[in-house]
Amino acid sequence: SQQGEEDPQALSIQEGENATMNCSYKTSINNLQWYRQNSGRGLVHLILIRSNEREKHSGRLRVTLDTSKKSSSLLITASRAADTASYFCAKTGTASKLTFGTGTRLQVTL
Amino acid sequence: DTAVSQTPKYLVTQMGNDKSIKCEQNLGHDTMYWYKQDSKKFLKIMFSYNNKELIINETVPNRFSPKSPDKAHLNLHINSLELGDSAVYFCASSLKGNTEAFFGQGTRLTVV
Repeated sequence: SQQGEEDPQALSIQEGENATMNCSYKTSINNLQWYRQNSGRGLVHLILIRSNEREKHSGRLRVTLDTSKKSSSLLITASRAADTASYFCAKTGTASKLTFGTGTRLQVTL
Repeated sequence: DTAVSQTPKYLVTQMGNDKSIKCEQNLGHDTMYWYKQDSKKFLKIMFSYNNKELIINETVPNRFSPKSPDKAHLNLHINSLELGDSAVYFCASSLKGNTEAFFGQGTRLTVV
């Protein structure tokens, strides 16, 4: 299958809590990216982590990459209602394409 | 200014018809893509073009024919539409194949 696995499929938290989403993949990668998709909208790039990097930060986002376990995680700290969206990881390998995971639907409630 | 724009945003058509979706990017990128997102939100790549040349064709039925008149445009023509073609189609572009991709807002295609 082209799809990586993401878990959980759905996550519901309260505002102010942290949200952690995980992504696993099967083949070697050049880099791994995370995207957000608000309902009815296109995808927005959040962060890119290269295969030789282990951790990257951007604002309230923290991404880790473990190539030995072929997995990545996205942590959103101090979540806000506006973070409600679907989050996708996307892998790039040797070919010029992004292969997306199955996505995690995050719901942040007040 | 919209970076990646695709038209139309919504498309409702009958089975058997032929339709086109247009995509344009003003980012100066050399790689463009078409993705299909189904009702379960799975995103699957269909085509990738680099400098007007097709580099990825992911076993898409030949009813789907992409056309890239120049590196800023990648259009998708679909012949003999089927019910299963109903989905949201996203155009995207990137500077190189392995870098950040910018997505259009999507075209929701409904075949009735």
